[in-house]
Amino acid sequence: GAVVSQHPSWVICKSGTSVKIECRSLDFQATTMFWYRQFPKQSLMLMATSNEGSKATYEQGVEKDKFLINHASLTLSTLTVTSAHPEDSSFYICSARDPFWTSSQETQYFGPGTRLLVL
Amino acid sequence: GENVEQHPSTLSVQEGDSAVIKCTYSDSASNYFPWYKQELGKGPQLIIDIRSNVGEKKDQRIAVTLNKTAKHFSLHITETQPEDSAVYFCAARDDKIIFGKGTRLHILP
Repeated sequence: GAVVSQHPSWVICKSGTSVKIECRSLDFQATTMFWYRQFPKQSLMLMATSNEGSKATYEQGVEKDKFLINHASLTLSTLTVTSAHPEDSSFYICSARDPFWTSSQETQYFGPGTRLLVL
Repeated sequence: GENVEQHPSTLSVQEGDSAVIKCTYSDSASNYFPWYKQELGKGPQLIIDIRSNVGEKKDQRIAVTLNKTAKHFSLHITETQPEDSAVYFCAARDDKIIFGKGTRLHILP
């Protein structure tokens, strides 16, 4: 099946610094990617929808100036956590939708996640 | 927007027995219902899915049922094995996938 990768798989940073997480679709071109955040023992919460070549759409309560999303190509979306603080420590998971997706076919694939720890 | 409720939050079953996890959704426009298995430290893995025009689907030991009228769907795992121990999430999608809160499944030896 299709593969979505994330880099890095884990990162530790100091409070106040910015961290960039990459999400790549390895064998298909994704016009739409999604970013989720998962706190320990909780579910995946959708943060934003990333569309290639346009601005991301953020879910209610997610600060767009803090979580910068760039979807510059059909195989790459990046999430930058700006001025990270300890409360931003979480598991960030991206998902990519195959461009041939239709309402009758499931073609959305999830990455392995990136664990962020802010000290 | 869509809201997905999932029960139970924790489930322990004896190895070899069956496990059932139930979910409800709120948005009648949702037309796709995937189930994911997540192991510790990993991303969610799709294990089975069902679309709104189908009432039941089976894949070996795993089956899913959907009742559109009642807006609920269920995951059934038969002949459970130790490797089935994980967290399972149901989800519903109209335009974007919204997850339930998850069920931690323990398979007891």
